[in-house]
Amino acid sequence: AQKVTQAQTEISVVEKEDVTLDCVYETRDTTYYLFWYKQPPSGELVFLIRRNSFDEQNEISGRYSWNFQKSTSSFNFTITASQVVDSAVYFCALYSNFNKFYFGSGTKLNVKP
Amino acid sequence: DSGVTQTPKHLITATGQRVTLRCSPRSGDLSVYWYQQSLDQGLQFLIQYYNGEERAKGNILERFSAQQFPDLHSELNLSSLELGDSALYFCASSADGRSTDTQYFGPGTRLTVL
Repeated sequence: AQKVTQAQTEISVVEKEDVTLDCVYETRDTTYYLFWYKQPPSGELVFLIRRNSFDEQNEISGRYSWNFQKSTSSFNFTITASQVVDSAVYFCALYSNFNKFYFGSGTKLNVKP
Repeated sequence: DSGVTQTPKHLITATGQRVTLRCSPRSGDLSVYWYQQSLDQGLQFLIQYYNGEERAKGNILERFSAQQFPDLHSELNLSSLELGDSALYFCASSADGRSTDTQYFGPGTRLTVL
């Protein structure tokens, strides 16, 4: 079965704190892709990152970084020095099994000034 | 602005009715995806089209159908609507048929079934 679990329903931090959003996935496929999306209060979805199963290198993009660990089936997302504009719902997704996407339930991040 | 347009922005209809949601992809993108976001089911992938042909199918109900036209715009048809179909429907596009490409999302169509 394919599944994505985001155990953190909601997280609140104060601006400038670092925060990590957890994502655990399940798949039997050897080739798969993992994604993170952001959905700000305005409602649109924004693609953040794609990572394939053969590339376990961590990635950093500005204040965002991603930690992919196949051994623990996790693809965690860290925001460094969070800002109020980071307040959003973040979704982790798995692409595998005959071209289908599986989304986690999302983590709502509240960044307070 | 992602370059993906969706119409209408809001739609209110009654149970049993049929509606059509429209999506225009970014210029040059060949692939279109449809997603449903509801309070009950969360975010779900419905279906993908690439250059007019169905490429992948997710959790799309039999009452729903979609197509992509020669000009690459896509329509999602929802029929025999039920209260549970109330949701935000997103369309996304990508450059080609690989579902691992960066997807650009439209603003969504909010459907309310009364």
